Amino acid sequence: EPEVTQTPSHQVTQMGQEVILRCVPISNHLYFYWYRQILGQKVEFLVSFYNNEISEKSEIFDDQFSVERPDGSNFTLKIRSTKLEDSAMYFCASSAGINQPQHFGDGTRLSIL
Amino acid sequence: GQQVMQIPQYQHVQEGEDFTTYCNSSTTLSNIQWYKQRPGGHPVFLIQLVKSGEVKKQKRLTFQFGEAKKNSSLHITATQTTDVGTYFCAGQGGGNKLTFGTGTQLKVEL
Repeated sequence: EPEVTQTPSHQVTQMGQEVILRCVPISNHLYFYWYRQILGQKVEFLVSFYNNEISEKSEIFDDQFSVERPDGSNFTLKIRSTKLEDSAMYFCASSAGINQPQHFGDGTRLSIL
Repeated sequence: GQQVMQIPQYQHVQEGEDFTTYCNSSTTLSNIQWYKQRPGGHPVFLIQLVKSGEVKKQKRLTFQFGEAKKNSSLHITATQTTDVGTYFCAGQGGGNKLTFGTGTQLKVEL
């Protein structure tokens, strides 16, 4: 069964540095998402992306964050000037269409020191 | 903004007992999706409910969507140790984002 793949599985970064989290959505899916989950808490929506532009974003997704689809397969989340509170599991997801089931990758655990 | 709450937060059951988690949204939903997350894992899609009053079954799991499309439930009959995990409901309103519930952590003891 097709899967969403994410790299790296774990990223450790010094506070203030920039990180790029990478995702390969399911190949025939058109909608892409980033969510995050702070340890022990619920999953929170960050941003959705369709047709090479952001379609929706949350209050969390401020100027520190950006997303990009640099080629036909990858979808990236960039976090600039990382802060301690950015430490979380970041999940990429994709769906075939609007209001369709979203399928999640294994996540990237981001640890900010 | 839209809020989705689940109860209970935790549930410990003996293997073979039934389990139910309830999900309530502050706003009417276009659909609701249920996910299971094992410790250290990612949310795994279980099912999507779209119609008012809809009931769907997957083996020992029964999912319901309320008539007002604001609440939902997941019932597991005769729990097994493989059912351990956190069950999240996630609702979609007008947009495409999923608003996740607070989750119910299920522990099953032999």
